[in-house]
Amino acid sequence: GQQVMQIPQYQHVQEGEDFTTYCNSSTTLSNIQWYKQRPGGHPVFLIQLVKSGEVKKQKRLTFQFGEAKKNSSLHITATQTTDVGTYFCAALFQGAQKLVFGQGTRLTINP
Amino acid sequence: EPEVTQTPSHQVTQMGQEVILRCVPISNHLYFYWYRQILGQKVEFLVSFYNNEISEKSEIFDDQFSVERPDGSNFTLKIRSTKLEDSAMYFCASTTLWRGTGGYTFGSGTRLTVV
Repeated sequence: GQQVMQIPQYQHVQEGEDFTTYCNSSTTLSNIQWYKQRPGGHPVFLIQLVKSGEVKKQKRLTFQFGEAKKNSSLHITATQTTDVGTYFCAALFQGAQKLVFGQGTRLTINP
Repeated sequence: EPEVTQTPSHQVTQMGQEVILRCVPISNHLYFYWYRQILGQKVEFLVSFYNNEISEKSEIFDDQFSVERPDGSNFTLKIRSTKLEDSAMYFCASTTLWRGTGGYTFGSGTRLTVV
């Protein structure tokens, strides 16, 4: 079936350390989106990646889409306490109409 | 900034009862979705809706579930006879572009507790 695997499930870092979460699919994706969900909140759209090898940056966040369009990563440089939450990748498979979410990576930060 | 509005924020219901979860999508959005999230788990697709009909549904979305857009603004999810395992956070989402290009806007969710 259409699944996207996301690792790690949990990540605890010291404030100021970097953080990375990865998503992988066994099949080629049309695009991949990233969402952030704060504790007790709802998913909030961060970014969409469409092109093979695409890299996008939002301040301390760097998003990458693999050359084969089967994997993606989100890297946060120098984490801050405001980065706490669960980060989900969400894949749009070719021919499909809905997003399939990864399991999410829950980021906690020690100040 | 435009929002997707969901009501109620929390619903407690007896097993076997019917519940209706309500959503008001962003006014110029055309594509609507229901997802659910069991506590601490991933966000699971239930159904997508476009042009007043279901465009896709998951295996979770069985005969106990239905969706409606009764008046051109509200978008509802009905569960006819709730089970304990229906307890979850239900999120409505909408988007203006086909296939969700450009991202979904999610509502703040309805926490459904079946007792």
